[in-house]
Amino acid sequence: NAGVMQNPRHLVRRRGQEARLRCSPMKGHSHVYWYRQLPEEGLKFMVYLQKENIIDESGMPKERFSAEFPKEGPSILRIQQVVRGDSAAYFCASSPISRGRGIAEAFFGQGTRLTVV
Amino acid sequence: AQTVTQSQPEMSVQEAETVTLSCTYDTSESDYYLFWYKQPPSRQMILVIRQEAYKQQNATENRFSVNFQKAAKSFSLKISDSQLGDAAMYFCAYRSAGSARQLTFGSGTQLTVLP
Repeated sequence: NAGVMQNPRHLVRRRGQEARLRCSPMKGHSHVYWYRQLPEEGLKFMVYLQKENIIDESGMPKERFSAEFPKEGPSILRIQQVVRGDSAAYFCASSPISRGRGIAEAFFGQGTRLTVV
Repeated sequence: AQTVTQSQPEMSVQEAETVTLSCTYDTSESDYYLFWYKQPPSRQMILVIRQEAYKQQNATENRFSVNFQKAAKSFSLKISDSQLGDAAMYFCAYRSAGSARQLTFGSGTQLTVLP
C-alpha cells in the first residue's frame, strides 16, 4: 500500500506565476489535509477536504490560494500569482473515515518545497 | 482555539542516555488526542507516539514514552537509550476528537544526539 504521494518534491516559480501542488492520498483514505511549514517553524493547518467537498478552510489565505479534491484524481493546492512569502514546504496528509472512537491517524506525504524567485 | 507550546527550541543528549522533550497545550475541550511527530532532515513527518485524552495510562512505544498530565495540560516525550537515528526535529500536536480533525502543531524541538 503506497503512502501519501506528493509531487513535485521541489517546485521553483517566478513571482507572479502559478503553483500547482498535487497530493494522492493513501488507498482507502477519503480525507485530505494541507499544511504549510515556513522555515524554522511548525506546520500550520490550511485546509481539510473530503471528496468533492471543502470541510474546513479556516487556515487558507483569503486570496490567491485554493484547494480541491475531485471525485477522481489527486487533491490539488493551487497558488496563483506567487510571491516570495509563499516560499515554504507544503505537506499533505490523509486519513480514513473515523469509526467509533478510532483515532483515524493521519499519514503525511514527504512535502513539496516551493521556492519563489 | 487550541494552542500547543514547545518551550525548548533545541535539546541535546548523549547517545544511550535519556532525554525528555516538553509540550504544553491549551484547550477547553475534554476529549482530544495528542501526538508526537518526528521530522528528520528528509522532511518526512513520522508519527512517534499518540495519546487519547480519555485514557489515563501513559502511552509507550518501545523506547518512547509520554508523561500525560491532563489537569496540567502537559504532554512530555521521553526517549530512552537515545540513538543517533533519533536526531530530528520533534513536534507535539493536538487534535480534537470532534469534527475538527486537523492537527495543531507546536513550533518544534531540534534534538541532537551526541556520539
